[in-house]
Amino acid sequence: QKEVEQNSGPLSVPEGAIASLNCTYSDRGSQSFFWYRQYSGKSPELIMFIYSNGDKEDGRFTAQLNKASQYVSLLIRDSQPSDSATYLCAVNFGNEKLTFGTGTRLTIIP
Amino acid sequence: GAVVSQHPSWVICKSGTSVKIECRSLDFQATTMFWYRQFPKQSLMLMATSNEGSKATYEQGVEKDKFLINHASLTLSTLTVTSAHPEDSSFYICSARRFTEAFFGQGTRLTVV
Repeated sequence: QKEVEQNSGPLSVPEGAIASLNCTYSDRGSQSFFWYRQYSGKSPELIMFIYSNGDKEDGRFTAQLNKASQYVSLLIRDSQPSDSATYLCAVNFGNEKLTFGTGTRLTIIP
Repeated sequence: GAVVSQHPSWVICKSGTSVKIECRSLDFQATTMFWYRQFPKQSLMLMATSNEGSKATYEQGVEKDKFLINHASLTLSTLTVTSAHPEDSSFYICSARRFTEAFFGQGTRLTVV
């Protein structure tokens, strides 16, 4: 069974600090990795995707992928209260489908 | 990013009735769309993969006769919850692939009373 695991949290981070969200996955053959943000009662919105080992930066967000360790993370710099949400990690295991983790609830404390 | 529109955003129906949810890709053609269900405080669970012009592929444990999926065009997929029961109350979300990215509709909150 192909699985995606995340710490459900809640993770509390002071405003202005760096929030670090982690995700592990079960299949070494996984090809693409996605981070989604979901506000309560809303559908997920794509933040970033990453395919290659290393870091990918987009504004305050950095995705980090380590395929050898089967680990993908999302860093949020200069955290803002509006970043408070549930963050979903999703993995494409080589078919068309995305498998989602259970999500990490992040709270930014003003 | 690409826009996926889902309608209605919420619906309340009586037990035993059917409800249709529409998912449209507004600015791109989607040969494949996905339908998810999300219960409170849980992650998205894939229900089925909707393929334009062919039958949907359902995940294990999802009743295809209860959750009817039609993908009649490259921009529209519909999910019909037939003979709805209170346990079908959930947040239903569609997504459409554009190249390698998946974009989500706004979701439909279904409440069966």
